[in-house]
Amino acid sequence: IAGITQAPTSQILAAGRRMTLRCTQDMRHNAMYWYRQDLGLGLRLIHYSNTAGTTGKGEVPDGYSVSRANTDDFPLTLASAVPSQTSVYFCASSEAGAGINEQFFGPGTRLTVL
Amino acid sequence: GEDVEQSLFLSVREGDSSVINCTYTDSSSTYLYWYKQEPGAGLQLLTYIFSNMDMKQDQRLTVLLNKKDKHLSLRIADTQTGDSAIYFCAEENYGGSQGNLIFGKGTKLSVKP
Repeated sequence: IAGITQAPTSQILAAGRRMTLRCTQDMRHNAMYWYRQDLGLGLRLIHYSNTAGTTGKGEVPDGYSVSRANTDDFPLTLASAVPSQTSVYFCASSEAGAGINEQFFGPGTRLTVL
Repeated sequence: GEDVEQSLFLSVREGDSSVINCTYTDSSSTYLYWYKQEPGAGLQLLTYIFSNMDMKQDQRLTVLLNKKDKHLSLRIADTQTGDSAIYFCAEENYGGSQGNLIFGKGTKLSVKP
C-alpha cells in the first residue's frame, strides 16, 4: 500500500523558473492539502481541495496554484519561483466529513530556490 | 483568528515522563489532535481526543483536555529515545472548509539516554 507519494524528493531551482510538485494518493480520500513547513513557523496551509474539481486557498496561497482534475492527484505549481519559497512541502489527504479528521502525509519535497 | 500555541523545545531523560502543552482558540473543535513528526518524514496522527472528554489514555500516552482554559496536554510515560520527534497539536478549522486543521508550530522533544 503506497498511501500518499510526492515527487520529487528534493529539488534545487533557479529563481524565476516554473516548478510543479506532484502528489498522488491511492486511498480514494476526498480531501487533499498542501502545506509548507519552515523552521520556527510550523506547518502552514497553502491550498486545499475538498473534492475533485474544487480547490480553496489556505493561509499562504500567494505564488502557488493547484488543480484537482481527479481524486488521486493534487499538483502544486510555482509559476515563477522566489527564494522565499525555499521550504519543505508536504501533501496530505483525508476522508473529511467522516468523524475524526486524520490527515495522512506524504514524505515531503525539499525545495531550494536560489 | 484561530491560533494554536505550544512551546518549541522539551528535553527529558530516558525513562522520565514528558509533558507537552498546547493552548488553542477554537472552542467549536469537535476533536483535538496530536501529530508526531519523526526526522525526515511527514506527520502521523498520534492520538486525538473528543471535545466532551477530559482525558484519554492509550498505553504510554495520556491526553488531558481543559475546555474552560482551552488547554491540551500530551503526557508520554517512560519516555524512550525513539520518542524523539516533533509533536504538533492541532484543532479543527470550520471557518475555512471541512476537514481543515490548524497546527501549532510543534514541540521538539529530545530524549537523552
